[in-house]
Order: sequence, then structure tokens, then C-alpha cells
Amino acid sequence: AQSVTQLDSQVPVFEEAPVELRCNYSSSVSVYLFWYVQYPNQGLQLLLKYLSGSTLVKGINGFEAEFNKSQTSFHLRKPSVHISDTAEYFCAVSGPGTYKYIFGTGTRLKVLA
Amino acid sequence: DAGVIQSPRHEVTEMGQEVTLRCKPISGHDYLFWYRQTMMRGLELLIYFNNNVPIDDSGMPEDRFSAKMPNASFSTLKIQPSEPRDSAVYFCASSSDSGFYEQYFGPGTRLTVT
Repeated sequence: AQSVTQLDSQVPVFEEAPVELRCNYSSSVSVYLFWYVQYPNQGLQLLLKYLSGSTLVKGINGFEAEFNKSQTSFHLRKPSVHISDTAEYFCAVSGPGTYKYIFGTGTRLKVLA
Repeated sequence: DAGVIQSPRHEVTEMGQEVTLRCKPISGHDYLFWYRQTMMRGLELLIYFNNNVPIDDSGMPEDRFSAKMPNASFSTLKIQPSEPRDSAVYFCASSSDSGFYEQYFGPGTRLTVT
């Protein structure tokens, strides 16, 4: 069975500071990993995904994530955040042959002026 | 494309009433997913369809919930009878075989059962 753990429920950070949102997964098979962002009162939007290949994945809005198989992690990073990055961020896991996601519980990022 | 369309955006109903949520996926997408989001339980997959056929309904909470997809451009999620604990935001998402596993989410329906 697959599972996803997002250790931080809330992360406050000042504007222009770097941020890392942590995601750890558990799976006995190959994984596909995703980060989605949810702005207030909206649906989820894909930030980036890892299916195979390079372990460093770049996404929209200046975000990137690194797939670390030995540590079963897929942490999301941004070198300099903006007020507009305030949102909830979800990590999700899937795998070859299945379109079903397992989502983490989400991390609420609050960017402070 | 207009994206995934959900209606209504907000629904307030009384306990015991029937509720029907509607979803129009992105044209050409083969997969349709229904999710429920609450503060307590986070984002849960209720059911998903492939080519209009239900593939996995293990997340449907109980018999009061049912979902149908009569054609490739329309799906419904019905709750009968509704209960206050069904209050949540319900999302529909769609995906395609050639979409590299990305799911496109609708704006959600906020359901309040009083």
C-alpha cells in the first residue's frame, strides 16, 4: 500500500525568504510523485510531477522538488517566496498503471510581509 | 477549453434531503474522479471512472452516496438522504491517458447540510 506524510501542517515564512515543504512517501513499488497547490476557494492545480528521469524537477511559479529514493522523500522548495504563494500545498503519490492518487494532509504556507 | 465544470458552486440543504452534484470533465479526458475535502479528513478519493465505467468506489462512505457517468461529458454524485456530516467541499477532476497522470480539478462544490 502507498501512503504520503506531510510533516508540517503550517509553515510561516517571510516574503523573499526560501522555503521547503516536506513530503515523505511509502511504497513497495515504483512511484510517481506530485505537488499540487490550492489557493483559497479554488480547486487544486499541478505545480510539478516526477514520473522518471532526473530527480530534480522544476515546476511552475519558481518551485522545484527533488526525488530522493533512499530517503523516500519529495520535498518542495522555492528560493524566494512571494505573498501570492500563500496557499495550501498537497503532495500526492501514484504509480505505473494506476491513475489513483493518495494525497497527503496538506501544508498551509503563509507568506508574511 | 473551459476546464472542469462543477455545479452548483454552493449548496445548502436540510438533513434528509437529496443532493445532486454535477461535473463536466474536460473534453477528451478518459478518467473522472470525485473527491471530498474536509478539515478533519483532508482530501479523500470517493470514486473514479475510466471511459464512463466505475473502476474503484472503495472510498464511497456508505450506501447513501452514489455516482454515475452516463456519458463522457457528464457525471453526478448523489447523496440521499443527506446528513450534517456530509458537509464538505466536493471536487471533480479529470485526466487523460496521454496526460502523464496529471489531474485537472474543478472549482469544487461547497455543500452545507443543516
